[in-house]
Amino acid sequence: QSVLTQPPSVSGAPGQRVTISCTGSSSNIGAGYDVHWYQQLPGTAPKLLIYGNNNRPSGVPDRFSGSKSGTSASLAITGLQVEDEADYHCQSYDSSLTWVFGGGTKLTVL
Amino acid sequence: EVQLVESGGGLVQPGGSLRLSCAASGFTFSSYEMNWVRQAPGKGLEWVSYISTSGSTIYYADSVKGRFTISRDNAKNSLYLQMNSLRAEDTAVYYCVRAGGGYWFGPWGRGTLVTVSS
Repeated sequence: QSVLTQPPSVSGAPGQRVTISCTGSSSNIGAGYDVHWYQQLPGTAPKLLIYGNNNRPSGVPDRFSGSKSGTSASLAITGLQVEDEADYHCQSYDSSLTWVFGGGTKLTVL
Repeated sequence: EVQLVESGGGLVQPGGSLRLSCAASGFTFSSYEMNWVRQAPGKGLEWVSYISTSGSTIYYADSVKGRFTISRDNAKNSLYLQMNSLRAEDTAVYYCVRAGGGYWFGPWGRGTLVTVSS
């Protein structure tokens, strides 16, 4: 049971926009800690996709964006491409001195 | 280029021990906090342990507290995870991960698979 809650799966057609939600609590996201997102392509290690709620590391396309409000956060992907098919994980920090993750969301590009 | 290369994974019986290593290169290892994160087969990511730059501050997930020990050797640019009293639920790919400035993780190593089974 993950501390942060994500939908198990989402899907969309090429060119469409999809969003992935990440819900926490008052001890992590709601406490003001930032949310970060990771992309995990099949058979590979996770890669930092969004940090500090809405910042993209160098090399990440601007099709990817993040937002945060209250105890939740969202990852949006616009102009969906086949190569975006992957698992996406949200992560934050908790007041209990631990780092917490969501259960991951599998994105299928139809 | 930043590189993190894990080693030491394998098959071990329940109750056994294993020591994971992570060789770091491409950055000033002693200046970065480090973590271990694991992923059970078909599951999400789980943070395991954190160590500060000097090794003076250490945190563990409750699931491994008292059984796992994180350490580092800055002279050797290496991170370690000593795992004792292993259980079936410890079966996972273990990733060595550099800490970002704002509690994020990255870059990540390729991971090493630990399988606990009789």
